[in-house]
Amino acid sequence: EAGVAQSPRYKIIEKRQSVAFWCNPISGHATLYWYQQILGQGPKLLIQFQNNGVVDDSQLPKDRFSAERLKGVDSTLKIQPAKLEDSAVYLCASSLWGAGVPYNEQFFGPGTRLTVL
Amino acid sequence: RKEVEQDPGPFNVPEGATVAFNCTYSNSASQSFFWYRQDCRKEPKLLMSVYSSGNEDGRFTAQLNRASQYISLLIRDSKLSDSATYLCVVSRSGSARQLTFGSGTQLTVLP
Repeated sequence: EAGVAQSPRYKIIEKRQSVAFWCNPISGHATLYWYQQILGQGPKLLIQFQNNGVVDDSQLPKDRFSAERLKGVDSTLKIQPAKLEDSAVYLCASSLWGAGVPYNEQFFGPGTRLTVL
Repeated sequence: RKEVEQDPGPFNVPEGATVAFNCTYSNSASQSFFWYRQDCRKEPKLLMSVYSSGNEDGRFTAQLNRASQYISLLIRDSKLSDSATYLCVVSRSGSARQLTFGSGTQLTVLP
């Protein structure tokens, strides 16, 4: 079974530039998450989608970050304009949803490592 | 105060040693508990769930103390391949099923 796919794997940009990340979750997983992981810290949730609707975006810096999941499958996360403190690994994860799922195991993609200069 | 707190380590132990990691969580509404493992420059992966009754998976034993809001992970007979960062994770009840991650404890098993 294919895992969560993300691209690009690495991105280097200058501050004030824009960048976009793409995620394709595991087939059949209705729930998709974007996390930011700064070096030395655990992943921090940015936004959670259930199908194509937003469940929680309370920790998304909406002045510069945006995300969409138009058809309930793939998702993109955009940063515009980037700041130095946005340097991090951006992880996408997906999980099953609904009754009968005993616990919320999230499956992570390999991440996109962003460096802002 | 962070919602999930862990000793960052690093823990450097010889092969064959027993090592224990501790974690505390602040939100008493937390309902589900996990340990995830993250290898260097890789994504986190679920290691095991943690139950009040305690659970064991081979060399790994996880314990939960709800009264103290404390979670532990014990690794016996450490292998070189156990070297990784271990993330303590909690989830609240409700439909969102969001996970909150600790900062992780780094383990290096030495030959």
